[in-house]
Amino acid sequence: DVVMTQTPVSMSVSLGGQVSISCRSSQSLVHNNGNTYLSWYIQKPSQSPQLLIYKVSNRFSGISDRFSGSGSGTDFTLKISRVEPDDLGVYYCGQGTQYPLTFGSGTKLEIK
Amino acid sequence: QVQLQQSGAELAKPGTSVKLSCKASGYTFTSYYIYWVKQRPGQGLEWIGYIYPGNGGTYYSEKFKGKATFTADTSSSTAYMLLGSLTPEDSAYYFCARDWFAYWGQGTLVTVSS
Repeated sequence: DVVMTQTPVSMSVSLGGQVSISCRSSQSLVHNNGNTYLSWYIQKPSQSPQLLIYKVSNRFSGISDRFSGSGSGTDFTLKISRVEPDDLGVYYCGQGTQYPLTFGSGTKLEIK
Repeated sequence: QVQLQQSGAELAKPGTSVKLSCKASGYTFTSYYIYWVKQRPGQGLEWIGYIYPGNGGTYYSEKFKGKATFTADTSSSTAYMLLGSLTPEDSAYYFCARDWFAYWGQGTLVTVSS
C-alpha cells in the first residue's frame, strides 16, 4: 500500500497568515496515464471531509483561491494564504493513483 | 445539487451485522462510483472500497474483505454497505462519497457494544 506521510501533525497560525502542509508518498503518484492523483481535504469539526484540491493543483468547485496545491512525484504541498477562522480543521492528503486508496494521518490547523 | 444522505446511527452487539445506506440524488447514480470510508473517533480516514452502481462491480481493500459487502439499488439510487461479524474495533463513523471524494455523505456512527 502507498503510505502517505503528512507534516506537521498540528500547527497554529494567526488570522491573515500563511501555512504550508507537506505530504509525501512512499511511491510515485504518477499514474500510467500520466496523471497524478493527489488530493487535499479539510474536515471541519463535526463535519464530513470536503474536497479542496484534486490532481495536485486543481481547486474543486467553489474553493477559494487562497488554497493552492503543488508538487510532483512523491512530494506535495498545500498552501493556505490569508488564513480565516473558517479554515480551522484537520487537513488530509489522499492518493488515488493506486488501490487501495490511502490518506495521510492529518494535519490539525488551529487559529491563534 | 449532488447529495448523499446516509442512514442514522446504529448500536449493535458484537457478532451481529448492520446494513448502512447512502441515498444519492442530484446526479445519475449509475454513472459514478460510490466509495466507503471508515473513521474511528478522533482518528484518520481509512478507505474500505467501492461499488460501481452501473454494473455492480466492487473492490474491497484487503483489510475489509470479509468484513464489508457493498450493494446498490438503482431503482432507489441507494448504495448499501453490510458490515458483518461486528467487534468493538468496528465502532466508527462510516462515510459514503462519490468517486474521487468530490461529495460526501454526513456519515453514520456505528457503535458495537454488548
